[in-house]
Amino acid sequence: DSGVTQTPKHLITATGQRVTLRCSPRSGDLSVYWYQQSLDQGLQFLIQYYNGEERAKGNILERFSAQQFPDLHSELNLSSLELGDSALYFCASSAPQGAEGEAFFGQGTRLTVV
Amino acid sequence: AQSVAQPEDQVNVAEGNPLTVKCTYSVSGNPYLFWYVQYPNRGLQFLLKYITGDNLVKGSYGFEAEFNKSQTSFHLKKPSALVSDSALYFCAVRAQAGSGAGSYQLTFGKGTKLSVIP
Repeated sequence: DSGVTQTPKHLITATGQRVTLRCSPRSGDLSVYWYQQSLDQGLQFLIQYYNGEERAKGNILERFSAQQFPDLHSELNLSSLELGDSALYFCASSAPQGAEGEAFFGQGTRLTVV
Repeated sequence: AQSVAQPEDQVNVAEGNPLTVKCTYSVSGNPYLFWYVQYPNRGLQFLLKYITGDNLVKGSYGFEAEFNKSQTSFHLKKPSALVSDSALYFCAVRAQAGSGAGSYQLTFGKGTKLSVIP
């Protein structure tokens, strides 16, 4: 158990809908990362938050947004869903000691858009 | 910008033989390098990391990795492969991505599927 909790584990929804994925980082970790994993794209970095503030942005679509709350949990919002958004979405967290700290991953949320 | 390349989509090795999974990176400044393993329908598990010091890093499950600065490589190795090592392996690099505290982007390679044949 990595200590990172993601809910829900599975999500099935229709095209055009909006969903929210939730991530609770390990206790004490200030950084949260979101990744999308699909078969043809590998592990794509979406966005990173540190202590409530956005710190780095990757290949995140405008239809997607995220935030990190004061209690450090994070949510990834996906709207106007398309079939191609079906993927595994991972959250990871890391401790505040800088770039040398490894990130710990949750079990992921499998999103299926039908 | 930082990037990671894993040139092999798949590596096949016989059980008991040594294995190598290749990784090269590109980053400005000092690289912090990581290897992760992913089993089916699971999240990524940390294996080992290179921060500084000895170029040979030892990690979990008997894995080790060799950092080579001149070749910008960080290959994962194991002297004797087990069938249970069959999984997807990811190399990652982390470096400063901005000026604010905690601005450390973590970039992954596409992954290499390791199959250990009994």
